[in-house]
Amino acid sequence: QLQLQESGPGLVKPSETLSLTCTLSGGSISTNNYYWGWIRQAPGSGLEWIASVYDSSSTYYNPSLKSRVTIFVDTSKNQISLKLSSVTAADTAMYYCARHVEAYNVWSGFYVWGQGTLVTVSS
Amino acid sequence: IVLTQSPGTLSLSPGERATLSCRASRSLSSDYLAWYQQKPGQPPRLLVYGASSRATGIPDRFSGSGSGTDFTLTISRLEPEDSAVYFCQQSGRSPLTFGGGTKVEIK
Repeated sequence: QLQLQESGPGLVKPSETLSLTCTLSGGSISTNNYYWGWIRQAPGSGLEWIASVYDSSSTYYNPSLKSRVTIFVDTSKNQISLKLSSVTAADTAMYYCARHVEAYNVWSGFYVWGQGTLVTVSS
Repeated sequence: IVLTQSPGTLSLSPGERATLSCRASRSLSSDYLAWYQQKPGQPPRLLVYGASSRATGIPDRFSGSGSGTDFTLTISRLEPEDSAVYFCQQSGRSPLTFGGGTKVEIK
């Protein structure tokens, strides 16, 4: 059974870089043939797609965040990672990683979600 | 693509039918519309993808339909455990976007 588990620092200071990791269990990223994405949800708010990745040569970013975001996979650790630079209070949110629905297709929804990791940006 | 969901809140009794609307700001292939259920403290759960295909393990009381700019999620016979917020999401154009959600309350 595929499971995703996000991890992160919990609290980040304004202007710093946020680093998040999502670890896959019950499967292997390198043989899974799916895109993997990060989505966030500010407290009491809706959902915002951040970015998705297949491998180092295939990444997609939300234009509103693209200048500050990097997404990548580490197949040796079976992880999907996200870096968000120059954070502000507006980046305070629950961050989820998820697997896309269809193999090889980023233009699909999100089938399996992790439980999320809460990030607060505050000095 | 902006997705507008209505109503904001739906308050119904068990056994009733719930009809949730998702309207897209531009026409969208039905292949690219999904619905999710989110309960407090939990991540979203995929209910429907491709506008009308139920995800694995989703009860058949949940059904999706629609095309173009108008999509609908129907819950045919509400159960108490269906109390949640429901989101639609499009993946037809970048950026992938979500609707603002409809809260379903069970009386």
